[in-house]
Amino acid sequence: AQTVTQSQPEMSVQEAETVTLSCTYDTSESNYYLFWYKQPPSRQMILVIRQEAYKQQNATENRFSVNFQKAAKSFSLKISDSQLGDTAMYFCAFIYSGGSNYKLTFGKGTLLTVNP
Amino acid sequence: NAGVMQNPRHLVRRRGQEARLRCSPMKGHSHVYWYRQLPEEGLKFMVYLQKENIIDESGMPKERFSAEFPKEGPSILRIQQVVRGDSAAYFCASSPRTETNYGYTFGSGTRLTVV
Repeated sequence: AQTVTQSQPEMSVQEAETVTLSCTYDTSESNYYLFWYKQPPSRQMILVIRQEAYKQQNATENRFSVNFQKAAKSFSLKISDSQLGDTAMYFCAFIYSGGSNYKLTFGKGTLLTVNP
Repeated sequence: NAGVMQNPRHLVRRRGQEARLRCSPMKGHSHVYWYRQLPEEGLKFMVYLQKENIIDESGMPKERFSAEFPKEGPSILRIQQVVRGDSAAYFCASSPRTETNYGYTFGSGTRLTVV
């Protein structure tokens, strides 16, 4: 079974600076998808960014980008020009791309605080 | 196009009571998934339903928990005889098909507190 590990329970960053959240995962599969979700205090789960394992190019979405290292099974999230609204829990998640690929596996999350 | 709607947003139950959590999927979505988030944990899969069918309930406790998604109306997650350990946030997600490579659309969750 796959596992997702987020080793940083909490992080903080000053507004306008850059921060990187870490995520590692363990799987024997070669085809899968990785996601970062944001959960603000409102509790809504918001999809931030998505990476296809068979693509070497790192995904980017505006101020959010990932560093995907497939061999190392690492999937970190970089937030540039941090804003106060980025304060939230961030969850890394994994899903297989074949078969019964409906189960998302989540890490325990990283609480990010952006300070003014 | 409303997103995934969950109600109630907060639910308080005394030990031994029943909790009913409702989820209305996005329009056009016939696949519903329930996840549970325990304090300081990530979300964990509970059950996957299609209209009138339970496809996979492998993540749901065998006792006291049940789920349904009738032909008409919302999906219901039912917890009988709640205990303190059931206190958690319960999230529903929906998709138009089984393949979820683009990630789910989640509701805002129901926070259940058992007192």
